[in-house]
Amino acid sequence: EAQVTQNPRYLITVTGKKLTVTCSQNMNHEYMSWYRQDPGLGLRQIYYSMNVEVTDKGDVPEGYKVSRKEKRNFPLILESPSPNQTSLYFCASSERRSGANVLTFGAGSRLTVL
Amino acid sequence: AQSVAQPEDQVNVAEGNPLTVKCTYSVSGNPYLFWYVQYPNRGLQFLLKYITGDNLVKGSYGFEAEFNKSQTSFHLKKPSALVSDSALYFCAVRDGAQAGTALIFGKGTTLSVSS
Repeated sequence: EAQVTQNPRYLITVTGKKLTVTCSQNMNHEYMSWYRQDPGLGLRQIYYSMNVEVTDKGDVPEGYKVSRKEKRNFPLILESPSPNQTSLYFCASSERRSGANVLTFGAGSRLTVL
Repeated sequence: AQSVAQPEDQVNVAEGNPLTVKCTYSVSGNPYLFWYVQYPNRGLQFLLKYITGDNLVKGSYGFEAEFNKSQTSFHLKKPSALVSDSALYFCAVRDGAQAGTALIFGKGTTLSVSS
C-alpha cells in the first residue's frame, strides 16, 4: 500500500530534550515536506525537500532541522524543543513540488512539550 | 503572494441537505486549487483539484467544487450530506505560473452533519 509513515504518533517530552520524528514514504516520491497544524492557523510548512540532499526552509523553520540522505526518509529534528512547538505535525510527499501533483500525507504526530 | 481564505470556521448542516464549504484564493498567475479532508486522528486526504478545463470538478465521496475565476472562489459542494462527511476540510492553492511554488493551505473549516 502506498503510504507515508510517521513515528511516533504521540509524544510527550520536556523542554530541551532532543527528539526526532521520522517520516518514510514508499512511493519513490522526489518531494517531501513537513507541516505543523495549529488551531486557527491551518497547516504551515516547516521544511521541504525537492530531492536527496536538497532541503529548504518553509514558512516556520525556526527551531527545526531536517535531513534527506535517502529518497524515502525525511526526519524532522527538534534539537531543543520548547513549549511553543507543541503541535500536530504532518509529513507529506509527492512526485514533484510543482504543478498539479497531489500530496500524500502521513497520519500525523502529536507532540507535547512540557 | 498567494493566499487562500476559508471564511467559515464551522458549517453545520442536517443530513440529506446540500452543503457548501467556501474558499477564496489569491494568486498572481493561474491557480491550481485543491480540497483535502481530515478525519479525526487521521492525516489529510485528497478530495479533488482544479487545474484547467471544466469549472465544475468532481471528486471523491460525491463531492464537487466549482471554480469561479471572476469571484476567485473554489467552493466545495455536495448535494446531500451524510453524517460521515463530518470532518475538517482544507482548501489549498498553488500558483501554477510559478514552477516550484509551495502549496498554501487555508485555516480549515469544520463540517458538522447532524442526523
